[in-house]
Amino acid sequence: DAGVIQSPRHEVTEMGQEVTLRCKPISGHDYLFWYRQTMMRGLELLIYFNNNVPIDDSGMPEDRFSAKMPNASFSTLKIQPSEPRDSAVYFCASRPTAGSDEQFFGPGTRLTVL
Amino acid sequence: GENVEQHPSTLSVQEGDSAVIKCTYSDSASNYFPWYKQELGKGPQLIIDIRSNVGEKKDQRIAVTLNKTAKHFSLHITETQPEDSAVYFCAARQTGRRALTFGSGTRLQVQP
Repeated sequence: DAGVIQSPRHEVTEMGQEVTLRCKPISGHDYLFWYRQTMMRGLELLIYFNNNVPIDDSGMPEDRFSAKMPNASFSTLKIQPSEPRDSAVYFCASRPTAGSDEQFFGPGTRLTVL
Repeated sequence: GENVEQHPSTLSVQEGDSAVIKCTYSDSASNYFPWYKQELGKGPQLIIDIRSNVGEKKDQRIAVTLNKTAKHFSLHITETQPEDSAVYFCAARQTGRRALTFGSGTRLQVQP
């Protein structure tokens, strides 16, 4: 398996633009997590899904952020409109329901909002 | 909710020395404590974990200890090597939940 796949790896955009980050979890994993990493706040959970259903979105900072999981192999995190304070590395992680508690992280998307 | 504090924020050791990173958690209901290693430009990767019914776990040069009464757990790396240089995160998970709460990270530098 190729592991968790994220795209793009780097994104530079201007304030006010819409940004869409994409994630493909490991096949067979039922849980998908979106995290944001910054120097100031560390690694924060934004939202997670189980079987494509959002379970906990309490970490989503505000209405400008939205996440979807239309099927078991694809998820998006959208920011509209983007702001400079959204600049961070965004990670997607997945894990199976049973057998292991390990979360497998993707390589991340480095977002810069100018 | 859970709160995890991690110390130190940076740690520099000589190759061959031991390194210890400490974390405390706030919720006594937490029952799972993993440690992740993050190398430059990559996502975090699990290196070892421990559950609340165990006091210590070891995997080659890496060990984790848990003190439930004091609500703290520690990562011990012996015989450090330059490739151990990375950022290490502790985390805690509350019973019945799937989400992890991460500590702020420790940047470990192993000097050759």
